[in-house]
Amino acid sequence: SQTIHQWPATLVQPVGSPLSLECTVEGTSNPNLYWYRQAAGRGLQLLFYSVGIGQISSEVPQNLSASRPQDRQFILSSKKLLLSDSGFYLCAWCRTSGNEQFFGPGTRLTVL
Amino acid sequence: GDSVTQMEGPVTLSEEAFLTINCTYTATGYPSLFWYVQYPGEGLQLLLKATKADDKGSNKGFEATYRKETTSFHLEKGSVQVSDSAVYFCALSDQGGGNKLTFGTGTQLKVEL
Repeated sequence: SQTIHQWPATLVQPVGSPLSLECTVEGTSNPNLYWYRQAAGRGLQLLFYSVGIGQISSEVPQNLSASRPQDRQFILSSKKLLLSDSGFYLCAWCRTSGNEQFFGPGTRLTVL
Repeated sequence: GDSVTQMEGPVTLSEEAFLTINCTYTATGYPSLFWYVQYPGEGLQLLLKATKADDKGSNKGFEATYRKETTSFHLEKGSVQVSDSAVYFCALSDQGGGNKLTFGTGTQLKVEL
């Protein structure tokens, strides 16, 4: 069976510090991968998605970047965090042939 | 572009009450439709889905029917429980590349004894 991991689960960072959130998927090959942000009391905003190693599509201009160094690894980064980067970050995967997405447990990021 | 509109929350119900959460969509083509549920502090879980018009998705007592004529996918449950308290998201699949989903803003449900 497939599983998706995210870490860390929670993170408190000062403004201006760097960020690295990691997501890994087990039990499948060549998945599509997605990063979402969920601000408090709001819906999900798609930030990035990837259909293969090294292939990243950005959905909104922002202070964040994403990378996919391995088939089942997706990393969300920032060089300098802003207060507005606070939120709940969710990683998801989907089979190439399907459209049903499976979500990880999320990372709660607080920027102070 | 594609969009999903959900009824505003929060919705507060007594246990065993009937639940309806409205969802309508705008899309080109024939998207698949989904309901996801998010329990406090957790990621999203797929609740049910429908891939074509008139399909009914169902799971854990929840149901939703894909209505092409009214572009709707309303979520229903005949008798809610306290454990159903969560945020519910309606979503549709993107017909373009990347299998992207477009989500509604979510509806918070609180069920009380």
